[in-house]
Amino acid sequence: QVQLQESGPGLVKPSETLSLTCTVSGGSISVYYWSWIRQPPGKGLEWIGYIYYRGSTNYNPSLKSRVTISVDTSKSQFSLKLSSVTAADTAVYYCARVVPHSYHFDYWGQGTLVTVSS
Amino acid sequence: QTVVTQEPSFSVSPGGTVTLTCALSSGSVSTSYYPSWYQQTPGQAPRTLIYSTNTRSSGVPDRFSGSILGNKAALTITGAQADDESDYYCVLYMASGISVFGGGTKLTVL
Repeated sequence: QVQLQESGPGLVKPSETLSLTCTVSGGSISVYYWSWIRQPPGKGLEWIGYIYYRGSTNYNPSLKSRVTISVDTSKSQFSLKLSSVTAADTAVYYCARVVPHSYHFDYWGQGTLVTVSS
Repeated sequence: QTVVTQEPSFSVSPGGTVTLTCALSSGSVSTSYYPSWYQQTPGQAPRTLIYSTNTRSSGVPDRFSGSILGNKAALTITGAQADDESDYYCVLYMASGISVFGGGTKLTVL
């Protein structure tokens, strides 16, 4: 059974960079796309971006200037960096596996709350 | 900017049938957008219900079905149960290679 687990600081100061890692277990990181999705408290889901296991990326245009997603296949991990954060970036951040050719999210992490505050 | 629109809320009686929809701000939704649907209860990660328009994810009851209705993607729940009370999100995959979530529909079963 594939499992995804997010990890990283739960509190980030305004203007700093949010960094999260997703560790994949129970399956190979190869072949699939891997995604980050977030959900501000009480609001809907927002797609942040994808990375293919070979390293190609695609980002939400509204976040593109601040987002970097990277992958480390040797560790079965992929990571998110979001720069110049503000309170509007406070959210539960989910990582998810994306199935090629159908582009749906089939496995999700449990999510981790990141609060932006001084 | 592509906007995907869902009904903010819907209500259904136990045992009833409800259809939630997913529309594009400009243009019609077709199978080329690979519509998928997710169910989320408070405090939980989303659960995949439907992908590629009408394929049920493993373990999803057959009372959930997906389709294209007119110019929208649709999720139909037939014989609604109390534990179907959740938020439902659609996602469309754009030709540009990005995914866009709808705003979500809060479904009440009463």
